[in-house]
Amino acid sequence: AQSVTQPDIHITVSEGASLELRCNYSYGATPYLFWYVQSPGQGLQLLLKYFSGDTLVQGIKGFEAEFKRSQSSFNLRKPSVHWSDAAEYFCAVGRASNFGNEKLTFGTGTRLTIIP
Amino acid sequence: EAQVTQNPRYLITVTGKKLTVTCSQNMNHEYMSWYRQDPGLGLRQIYYSMNVEVTDKGDVPEGYKVSRKEKRNFPLILESPSPNQTSLYFCASSLTQEGVGYEQYFGPGTRLTVT
Repeated sequence: AQSVTQPDIHITVSEGASLELRCNYSYGATPYLFWYVQSPGQGLQLLLKYFSGDTLVQGIKGFEAEFKRSQSSFNLRKPSVHWSDAAEYFCAVGRASNFGNEKLTFGTGTRLTIIP
Repeated sequence: EAQVTQNPRYLITVTGKKLTVTCSQNMNHEYMSWYRQDPGLGLRQIYYSMNVEVTDKGDVPEGYKVSRKEKRNFPLILESPSPNQTSLYFCASSLTQEGVGYEQYFGPGTRLTVT
């Protein structure tokens, strides 16, 4: 069965510091990978996605992620975090549904706290 | 404005009282889906729909029903709610393209409490 693991439940970083959120997936074929962000009390917003091609993908708000097939990973990075980045981050993998199209399996999320 | 709307946003009800949470999208998306979010479990898919009159179970469908009679609407029905269905519910929609992954657009969420 397809699965996504986000090993860090909660991460605290200082404003201006770099950030890396880890995501590992289990999938039997080439996955479609996503990172979503959920601000407090809000729905989910797509940060970036990987379908094929360049394994380093750029997203919104200065985020990037790198797909590493050999490590089954899709870690999210940002060189310098801002207080507004405090949120919960979800990694998701697209997998085949009964209709031949993909459906998403989400990780359990990583809560990011920013300290001044 | 392109969006997914859900109503109500907050609902407190009692065990066994049937309820419906509505979901509507104005982007002409074929695909719609319902998720529930619980602490420590992330988002789990309840049901999804590939188009009008085409629905299928997700990972946690027990206790829920859905229907897709119009492309824009995808209501979630709890025939006899129980306390273990207390959760935060999200509706999402997306285009579907053969062989290409898709971005899901999420509604603002419905917080349901069943006492």
